[in-house]
Amino acid sequence: KNEVEQSPQNLTAQEGEFITINCSYSVGISALHWLQQHPGGGIVSLFMLSSGKKKHGRLIATINIQEKHSSLHITASHPRDSAVYICAVIPGNLIFGKGTKLSVKP
Amino acid sequence: NAGVTQTPKFQVLKTGQSMTLQCAQDMNHNSMYWYRQDPGMGLRLIYYSASEGTTDKGEVPNGYNVSRLNKREFSLRLESAAPSQTSVYFCASSGSSYNSPLHFGNGTRLTVT
Repeated sequence: KNEVEQSPQNLTAQEGEFITINCSYSVGISALHWLQQHPGGGIVSLFMLSSGKKKHGRLIATINIQEKHSSLHITASHPRDSAVYICAVIPGNLIFGKGTKLSVKP
Repeated sequence: NAGVTQTPKFQVLKTGQSMTLQCAQDMNHNSMYWYRQDPGMGLRLIYYSASEGTTDKGEVPNGYNVSRLNKREFSLRLESAAPSQTSVYFCASSGSSYNSPLHFGNGTRLTVT
């Protein structure tokens, strides 16, 4: 069972491109996290949201609770954005997606 | 400003050996978690502790035990390591509210031969 689906699994972009990563889930949730896992393995929390939209620098996260869908957007992408982006939902304990591996080429 | 400190970073064990992974946080968080991350799979919850003195099983608890020693520390023990436990292990912590952000340790890469 895949309660959290992310797309695409892999994404290659040129520096400067606008990037969208999608997360769909099948369970009722109270909140959703977007996480970033660096090539070295460390995991950082980017956003936590339960409705609407949040923005931090070049990153924007949106969620549509009715449609059970969230998107993470990166504007003006840069090679340092290369990482695995993970969506996780909270129906109780966190359920994680498998991640989207982003590579931004200079 | 340490956040979540996890040790060791790397470990190689032989089948049947035991070890304890240590985790400590300095953010006064009530909730702490142990996850494992395997290729092609999302992070999976092994055990969690919602508060000092309580622990609960997650999705994949078999072969592991945990101790919430105090509010700061949450350790994970492998009593008799198996090759299937080769993985990257992450400790995390968060505040009590469901909308509290997660803070992760840097991970432990464990290989069981």
